[in-house]
Parts: sequence; structure tokens; C-alpha cells
Amino acid sequence: GEDVEQSLFLSVREGDSSVINCTYTDSSSTYLYWYKQEPGAGLQLLTYIFSNMDMKQDQRLTVLLNKKDKHLSLRIADTQTGDSAIYFCAESFQGGYQKVTFGIGTKLQVIP
Amino acid sequence: EAEVAQSPRYKITEKSQAVAFWCDPISGHATLYWYRQILGQGPELLVQFQDESVVDDSQLPKDRFSAERLKGVDSTLKIQPAELGDSAMYLCASSRADRDRVNEQFFGPGTRLTVL
Repeated sequence: GEDVEQSLFLSVREGDSSVINCTYTDSSSTYLYWYKQEPGAGLQLLTYIFSNMDMKQDQRLTVLLNKKDKHLSLRIADTQTGDSAIYFCAESFQGGYQKVTFGIGTKLQVIP
Repeated sequence: EAEVAQSPRYKITEKSQAVAFWCDPISGHATLYWYRQILGQGPELLVQFQDESVVDDSQLPKDRFSAERLKGVDSTLKIQPAELGDSAMYLCASSRADRDRVNEQFFGPGTRLTVL
């Protein structure tokens, strides 16, 4: 079955790097995503990685995928106070209607 | 920039009353989703539409929830009667229908429902 797990909370100082981790159980996942949710708002896609990739970098964001351990991480370099939000890991499967399953979310708190 | 619109933003109702939420997806997006997000949890899919057809409503409590997308554009989610446990954020999202590409979903701001 589909299950996505994340730690609940992370606190970092402004300027440091943040690393948010996620594990998933379904090895047939095709795409893995990171969404960001600011208070009182909907989710926004930050980045995604295709399952045949190990790493993807996009400006301050680095996504690492370890398929063997079914582990996904999001690294935010030079974390800013505007990065304070909840970050959701999610997975979907190519083909079909691509249902996306979300994790519980990790709340990132950036301390000035 | 095109956005997903939802209304109302906030709704307070008493249990056993009926409530309805509206969503207008991004123009040209064939796929529309309704999610329920309980405080402190991730979004849970209630129903997914492909154009006007329901393709997944396996998690929709059909005894009290209904959803429609009559013309394949905007959509309405209804709860009747509302129960205390329905208090949550109801999110609408839309995406292009392309099974072979990444499923980037665009979310609306949500409707915060409080049932008293």
C-alpha cells in the first residue's frame, strides 16, 4: 500500500541549511514531490524528482533520492525566515490517473 | 498568473446543516481534485475528476458527501448533514491531464470549515 512518512518538526537558524526527510513504502512510485504550505494557504509545488534520478538541484533546493532505502530528502541551503512553512513529501505513479499520496508534513521553523 | 479559486474561504455551520464549497480550476486543466486536510495532517483525496467524470471517489463518505463537475469546468462539493468530525480545510486542486508526465497540481487557498 501507499504510505509516506515524515518527521513532524524541524527548527534551524537563519542562514543554516535545512534537511527534511521522508520515507515511502511503495517501490513503484514514479514521481516524488515536495510541496510547501504557508499558513492559511494551499499547497505549492516546490520541486519533484523522477524515480530514475538520484539527485536534482534547483537553486537553493537539492533533492536526494535513495531508492534502495525508499528515502527522499529536501535540502534548503541558506534557509531564510520566508522558508518557514510546512513541507509535504508526496508520491505518484506514472500512468493511470496519477493519484498523489501526501505525507503528514514537516513544520520548518526558521529562527532569525 | 492563473490560479485556482475557491469560495467561501471560511464557513461556520452547525451540525446537521448542509454546506457547499465551490472551486474554479485553472482554465484548460482537465483534472480536478478535492482534498480534506485535518489540522496537523496531510491532504487526503476525497474525489478526483477527469473532465466531468469521477475517476476516484474511494475515500468520499458517500452517505453525506457529494461532488459534481457538470460541465467539466468548475465543481461543487456538498456535505449534508455536516458532522463535528467534518471540521477541516477543504482544498481544491487542478492539473493538466497527461498521464506520462509529472502530475503538478495547483492548489486553491482552501475553505476552512468549522462545524459546531
